[in-house]
Amino acid sequence: KQEVTQIPAALSVPEGENLVLNCSFTDSAIYNLQWFRQDPGKGLTSLLLIQSSQREQTSGRLNASLDKSSGRSTLYIAASQPGDSATYLCAVRPYNDMRFGAGTRLTVKP
Amino acid sequence: KAGVTQTPRYLIKTRGQQVTLSCSPISGHRSVSWYQQTPGQGLQFLFEYFSETQRNKGNFPGRFSGRQFSNSRSEMNVSTLELGDSALYLCASSLELAGVYEQYFGPGTRLTVT
Repeated sequence: KQEVTQIPAALSVPEGENLVLNCSFTDSAIYNLQWFRQDPGKGLTSLLLIQSSQREQTSGRLNASLDKSSGRSTLYIAASQPGDSATYLCAVRPYNDMRFGAGTRLTVKP
Repeated sequence: KAGVTQTPRYLIKTRGQQVTLSCSPISGHRSVSWYQQTPGQGLQFLFEYFSETQRNKGNFPGRFSGRQFSNSRSEMNVSTLELGDSALYLCASSLELAGVYEQYFGPGTRLTVT
């Protein structure tokens, strides 16, 4: 059974810092991995999608990597801003469903 | 292009009642998935529909059901509501083009069962 773990559960950093969020999964048989952002009480916003054949994806200040063999992904956020404060979730697609981690709650202090 | 829409946004029901939630996917998307999000259990997969057929189902009791229409719009129904069904219900749609499966989420329906 695929299990997804995100560490840390919460993170507080000063504005301007670079930071890394971690995601690990137990079964390497995945189609893709997707990183999302969720603001309180809202739906999920897709940030980056990494296909199983890819190693990384970049969008603006965000970079996500995928190491399928070790069951790990990282989301790198450069030059963090207060507007980045949200919960970040990673999800893997084993077959016809999605398995989510519990998320990392990020607070960026001005 | 309009995003995924869900109606209603908020709902209050009483134990024992039933409820129907609606989801309209992004135009052209044929896959719709439903999720339940609670503080204790996080995001859990309910079911996925593709071209009006249920393709996969999560580990939820039979009180939870869904369907998809020919225009890809989807509904989920929960019968005999329990207090534990209080949650944010999220719908996601996907285009599934050339092996790429990227999910786009709606704003959710907040269901409160009293």
